[in-house]
Amino acid sequence: KAGVTQTPRYLIKTRGQQVTLSCSPISGHRSVSWYQQTPGQGLQFLFEYFSETQRNKGNFPGRFSGRQFSNSRSEMNVSTLELGDSALYLCASSAGTGTYEQYFGPGTRLTVT
Amino acid sequence: GDSVTQMEGPVTLSEEAFLTINCTYTATGYPSLFWYVQYPGEGLQLLLKATKADDKGSNKGFEATYRKETTSFHLEKGSVQVSDSAVYFCALSPRSSASKIIFGSGTRLSIRP
Repeated sequence: KAGVTQTPRYLIKTRGQQVTLSCSPISGHRSVSWYQQTPGQGLQFLFEYFSETQRNKGNFPGRFSGRQFSNSRSEMNVSTLELGDSALYLCASSAGTGTYEQYFGPGTRLTVT
Repeated sequence: GDSVTQMEGPVTLSEEAFLTINCTYTATGYPSLFWYVQYPGEGLQLLLKATKADDKGSNKGFEATYRKETTSFHLEKGSVQVSDSAVYFCALSPRSSASKIIFGSGTRLSIRP
């Protein structure tokens, strides 16, 4: 099976802009979770989508949003970018049941200038 | 709330040395426990897992045992190799919200030839 893919791998944006990141899960997986990784805050859970519905949400402002399509692919959007949004954004896929073992993609490195 | 505490790094060892990375957790009920590894420039890879007390997870020579009495999940390897150099994350998945993984701060491991 192909692994989790994320596009783009690298992105540079300016403060105030918005950005959309994409994640394609492992075939057959219905759950996609998003995480933000920064040197200061470590790995933090953003939200999880299962069967096109947000099932779980972390403690991030409303500027961070997401959606999931019928083919389980997911997008994450960040509006009005701030310098502090610079991070590695990781997507993880899982079957969505049982132990919820998650498989991570390589991440999208977002730099906000 | 639920949390994971792991030993501060960096940890530097010589090849063939014994490795222990300590991890303790705080959680309600019986979470699933994981160790993930992140190689430079890559996403996270699941190294091993344990889903109930006294379970031992193992993979690639690494082991960790779910100790409910001490709320610990220490990672061990008998003989490390240069290729084991990476950042290791201890993590838990709460029973109440299994799709949300809570990570420790990570421990950077460097192995000298």
